[in-house]
Amino acid sequence: DVVLTQTPPTLSATIGQSVSISCRSSQSLLDSDGDTYLNWLLQRPGQSPQLLIYSVSNLESGVPNRFSGSGSETDFTLKISGVEAEDLGVYYCMQATHAPLTFGSGTKLEIK
Amino acid sequence: EVKLLESGGGLVQPGGSLRLSCAASGFTFTDFYMSWIRQPPGKAPEWLGVIRNKANGYTTEYNPSVKGRFTISRDNTQNILYLQMNTLRAEDTAIYYCVTAGNWDWGQGVMVTVSS
Repeated sequence: DVVLTQTPPTLSATIGQSVSISCRSSQSLLDSDGDTYLNWLLQRPGQSPQLLIYSVSNLESGVPNRFSGSGSETDFTLKISGVEAEDLGVYYCMQATHAPLTFGSGTKLEIK
Repeated sequence: EVKLLESGGGLVQPGGSLRLSCAASGFTFTDFYMSWIRQPPGKAPEWLGVIRNKANGYTTEYNPSVKGRFTISRDNTQNILYLQMNTLRAEDTAIYYCVTAGNWDWGQGVMVTVSS
């Protein structure tokens, strides 16, 4: 199975601060169709996960543009440019290139 | 608006069976791959499997961790997704989510507790 290693496990930020989360894959997530199926999800407290970014860098409809994704092959980053209070929760990367689909262990974002 | 509503969860004894349902609306059900994903308390989600769309013959694929015990099926006339779970173990305790595979819309989840 593909192992996704997320760092840091926890993150504490003030409102307006910019933060980054890393997701490293145990193998390349570049699919034979040319796409890279690495997504980022946010799970707010008590809620279901929601999609933020798909295929590395594409912003899901309705997601604020302070969220951005980058990376390739095995190394990916989620950046929040100017954290807001509503951004608290657990962020997960997930890959859908290789079966079984797998998730990172999560990064908990706390607001100072 | 995509809506996914899971039901059928609850408390079950080890070795028992349970069938979860997911009522889907707001999209053309037969066009979509559908997945079940579970999340044990305080842990990361785990993908259980997928059932493909009409164009791909509604074939299924499973995580090896549950293959042979769990079965995904769908009723395309009523827009319902199912998860049949057999020989349940304590480690199957989790919130179970119905998810549109590809668009990654999630239901609200249903709790399954396996305990004597």
